[in-house]
Amino acid sequence: DQQVKQNSPSLSVQEGRISILNCDYTNSMFDYFLWYKKYPAEGPTFLISISSIKDKNEDGRFTVFLNKSAKHLSLHIVPSQPGDSAVYFCAAFNNAGNMLTFGGGTRLMVKP
Amino acid sequence: DTGVSQNPRHKITKRGQNVTFRCDPISEHNRLYWYRQTLGQGPEFLTYFQNEAQLEKSRLLSDRFSAERPKGSFSTLEIQRTEQGDSAMYLCASSLGGSVNNQPQHFGDGTRLSIL
Repeated sequence: DQQVKQNSPSLSVQEGRISILNCDYTNSMFDYFLWYKKYPAEGPTFLISISSIKDKNEDGRFTVFLNKSAKHLSLHIVPSQPGDSAVYFCAAFNNAGNMLTFGGGTRLMVKP
Repeated sequence: DTGVSQNPRHKITKRGQNVTFRCDPISEHNRLYWYRQTLGQGPEFLTYFQNEAQLEKSRLLSDRFSAERPKGSFSTLEIQRTEQGDSAMYLCASSLGGSVNNQPQHFGDGTRLSIL
């Protein structure tokens, strides 16, 4: 049973436009959500996070939105740059479980 | 660089052999995690240490797998009698824990295991 799902395996965006990556979860015990970015042959790099008590967190070009009632979160990248091309993983954390549960990833391609 | 360090980066071995991987976490982090990632999937949790204590193990961690963190610093993950299905990227992560909640886990670059 996949508790965290990223339904779009890939996304292609023009440089300068907005990239929106989506993530859905099923476990209502998740209380902390993170986005990681992964380049080939490297480990995931932490990007941005949000606690379940908030609905938005912003860091430079990256904003994460959380809709708890819909069990949905999204990552917005504005403006998108070619260097943003990577695989993005959504992850959820349950303090009682002490582990991250990851989605399957979305490959973002930003075209110059 | 004071990030999470994993060695070796690549390991190729024959089926049935034993392998051991090492992870050096960020020095002030008391929590250490092992994950496994196969092609096209997100990382899957294997096990977790707080200091030297192994507090949680996934059902994915069969009897052939053992992890240690003897002094609460570096950790090793050993796989005995390797099988084809063990081929994957093994990722280590560390974070602050205890009274500090909701701290992100920081990952190393992983050890890619290939079983011939």
